[in-house]
Amino acid sequence: GEDVEQSLFLSVREGDSSVINCTYTDSSSTYLYWYKQEPGAGLQLLTYIFSNMDMKQDQRLTVLLNKKDKHLSLRIADTQTGDSAIYFCAESTNAGKSTFGDGTTLTVKP
Amino acid sequence: DTGVSQNPRHKITKRGQNVTFRCDPISEHNRLYWYRQTLGQGPEFLTYFQNEAQLEKSRLLSDRFSAERPKGSFSTLEIQRTEQGDSAMYLCASSWGQGEFDIQYFGAGTRLSVL
Repeated sequence: GEDVEQSLFLSVREGDSSVINCTYTDSSSTYLYWYKQEPGAGLQLLTYIFSNMDMKQDQRLTVLLNKKDKHLSLRIADTQTGDSAIYFCAESTNAGKSTFGDGTTLTVKP
Repeated sequence: DTGVSQNPRHKITKRGQNVTFRCDPISEHNRLYWYRQTLGQGPEFLTYFQNEAQLEKSRLLSDRFSAERPKGSFSTLEIQRTEQGDSAMYLCASSWGQGEFDIQYFGAGTRLSVL
């Protein structure tokens, strides 16, 4: 079945780049997503990438996809304290049903 | 549009009681999803609707759980005879889905505590 794995914690200094990694097992995944969750809030979609792409850039966010290794990463440039949150990787294969990782808690130190 | 709305935000109940949660999706979104999230984990898929039809249910959804979307707009999730293991955040999401491409917008969730 589908499985999505992420490292649990990442700590960076303000102004540095953050790289959050994710691996997935389902080779038929068609879309991969990154969500952000702040305390007490629902999930906010940050960006997504289609499986036939290997890179997508959106302002401070860069998504890299290595489909051969089933590896996805999210790079946040110039990380700010407001970026502190839990980041979830998710994949979908059919009819939009998504499988999520357990999230990476990003802590940004001033 | 005010986004996906979930009510109540918090629910505390005693074991064995029934509870019902409501989700109001973004208007005209055809798909509506329910997920469950426990502390330290990502959301786990429970069920989803395309318009009023319930198209898929997870194995996680025991017979005590039922979901409806009677007119293809709002949805309710009912848990009968609650157990302590049901304590979690219940998240609703909606989307205008076309095939596999599906941008889901999440509500803030209903946090259930079963005592």
